[in-house]
Amino acid sequence: AQKVTQAQTEISVVEKEDVTLDCVYETRDTTYYLFWYKQPPSGELVFLIRRNSFDEQNEISGRYSWNFQKSTSSFNFTITASQVVDSAVYFCALSRVQGAQKLVFGQGTRLTINP
Amino acid sequence: GAVVSQHPSWVICKSGTSVKIECRSLDFQATTMFWYRQFPKQSLMLMATSNEGSKATYEQGVEKDKFLINHASLTLSTLTVTSAHPEDSSFYICSARPGGAGPYEQYFGPGTRLTVT
Repeated sequence: AQKVTQAQTEISVVEKEDVTLDCVYETRDTTYYLFWYKQPPSGELVFLIRRNSFDEQNEISGRYSWNFQKSTSSFNFTITASQVVDSAVYFCALSRVQGAQKLVFGQGTRLTINP
Repeated sequence: GAVVSQHPSWVICKSGTSVKIECRSLDFQATTMFWYRQFPKQSLMLMATSNEGSKATYEQGVEKDKFLINHASLTLSTLTVTSAHPEDSSFYICSARPGGAGPYEQYFGPGTRLTVT
């Protein structure tokens, strides 16, 4: 069975601080996809990144970066120089490569950036 | 590109009535659509997966006779909550995935907030 754990329920930081959201996953598949989504107060999920399990390169996109460590089954997300607009709930998710590619979501981390 | 719409965005209905939620892919054909339910301050839970022209596959614990899903075309899926009760009040989100064998991500709709009184 697949499982995603986001141990941090809520994080609150002051603007311009760096913040890392943790994600640990479990799967028996040798290949899989990992995702991060952002859910602002409006409720609509915003896709941030998809990573294939065979690609362990870390990725940076502006102030966002992702650290994929297959050895520890982790896919952590860092926001550098956080801004108030980054306040949202962030979900890590996992899917199989085969079949319908259903998403299994973590519990989410509510991030609050204070001015 | 890749826009998914949902209608209505919010609905209030009385206990015992049925309500239909539409999910449309506006600029792509969605072979597969997914329906999720999200209770306040909780994660998204997959309810069912639907493929165009075939019966939906429901997740364990989801009553298929209560949550009727119809994926009649490559751009439209509907979720009907039958005989709604207050405990069905939730945020319902659909997503759509383009056809083919690629690693296409799911594109999410804006969600429908259902309140049953």
